[in-house]
Amino acid sequence: HSALTQPRSVSGSPGQSVTISCTGTSSDVGGYNYVSWYQQHPGKAPKIMIYDVSGRPSGVPDRFSGSKSGNTASLTISALQPEDEADYYCCSYGGSYVVFGGGTKLTVL
Amino acid sequence: EVQLVDSGGDLVQPGGSLRLSCAASGFTFNNYWMHWVRQAPGKGLVWVSRIHPDGTSTSYADSVKGRFTISRDNAKNTLYLQMNSLRAEDTAVYYCARDSSGLGYWGQGTLVTVSS
Repeated sequence: HSALTQPRSVSGSPGQSVTISCTGTSSDVGGYNYVSWYQQHPGKAPKIMIYDVSGRPSGVPDRFSGSKSGNTASLTISALQPEDEADYYCCSYGGSYVVFGGGTKLTVL
Repeated sequence: EVQLVDSGGDLVQPGGSLRLSCAASGFTFNNYWMHWVRQAPGKGLVWVSRIHPDGTSTSYADSVKGRFTISRDNAKNTLYLQMNSLRAEDTAVYYCARDSSGLGYWGQGTLVTVSS
């Protein structure tokens, strides 16, 4: 099963909004509402930011939001802050498998 | 407090074997699916395997199928990953993760290096 497709990098200035896309297939992203997003800072374990397409775990700022249309999911981060600079990964269930995206490096300019 | 502690990583020769462990605490271990996810140096996250709460159902990434075996001991609150026929491309940090509305909790990771 191929990795989900994410842009390699995105950037934005503090206070701006950015959106990271995640494209899969009808067998994973498009077939289930089980898309999650993870933030990873260098040398750290990943941290969940969004679950089940648009759910936000306790403690995650409401600046982080998720959505899905067809085979593409998106993570939007509004009001960018310096600490948002990190790698972001999408993830989807595909029935008998789980698949991650290749990761997107977010740079806060 | 939920805690997952990964251990067992080491330097191993190609073709060798290794068993990773993930000790869980702070929650009812046998209520949750558990996963292993790996990350090669400088690369992205890759899903490896998952196991049902009672251990009866498992699934694997194609890249490890037939070589890796996931298992759990619910009496010891521990998840395992038995890795056989290791290859250089298996070199990575291996994380265990709890499945609850996404992979909500992660271990700190343990490094496996496959090299002669």
